[in-house]
Amino acid sequence: DIQMTQSPSSLSASVGDRVTITCRASQGVRSFLNWYQQRPGKAPKLLIYAASSLYSGVPSRFSGSGSGTDFTLTISGLQPEDFANYYCQQSYSTPRTFGQGTKLEIK
Amino acid sequence: EVQLVESGGDLVQPGGSLRLSCAASGFIFSSFWMTWVRQAPGKGLEWVANIKQDGSEKYYVDSVRGRFTISRDNAKNSVYLHINSLRAEDTAVYYCARDGITIKKNSDTSSSYLYDYMDVWGKGTTVAVSS
Repeated sequence: DIQMTQSPSSLSASVGDRVTITCRASQGVRSFLNWYQQRPGKAPKLLIYAASSLYSGVPSRFSGSGSGTDFTLTISGLQPEDFANYYCQQSYSTPRTFGQGTKLEIK
Repeated sequence: EVQLVESGGDLVQPGGSLRLSCAASGFIFSSFWMTWVRQAPGKGLEWVANIKQDGSEKYYVDSVRGRFTISRDNAKNSVYLHINSLRAEDTAVYYCARDGITIKKNSDTSSSYLYDYMDVWGKGTTVAVSS
């Protein structure tokens, strides 16, 4: 199985900041990498698919990049509603696997 | 409105069984792979299983293979997760999700690839395993 490792596990930032979350795959997954946001008590929401494609309705302050084993999710100009948990997930092979998550907290 | 609604979660004893259901509406259910994902209390997301449009292919994470069975009924727009031999570590919120797809050209290779992702999620149903 492909292991996905996110860093950092938690992150403190302020409204308006630019933050970057990293995801590393244990083997190459090309661009088969998705990012999700999950607010406490809610279901996850898709943000980015195919490493860099913004899903419909997602604000343009979210962006993704990378290919192979190293990927990043960047949020430019943090808004109050962005403080949540973020997960990467590879769709290159089965079982699909998620990163352990990154908790983005308000500083 | 595109929607997924899970049901069937319960408090069960170790060794027990459950059937989780997920009812879909607002889209052509028979055109999509469907997936179950779970989340233990205070933990991250774990992909559990998925099933092809016609039910002919099913895949599982190792930790549930042989105990969990995914199935679907396209006439009822529903996907199911049959869970046997429940263990304490199966305690979690179970989400069903739709597998959306997009065909995208890779700028480096000029080849086109089919990318899948979980684009619609239900609100989840809770399974608690305890004596």
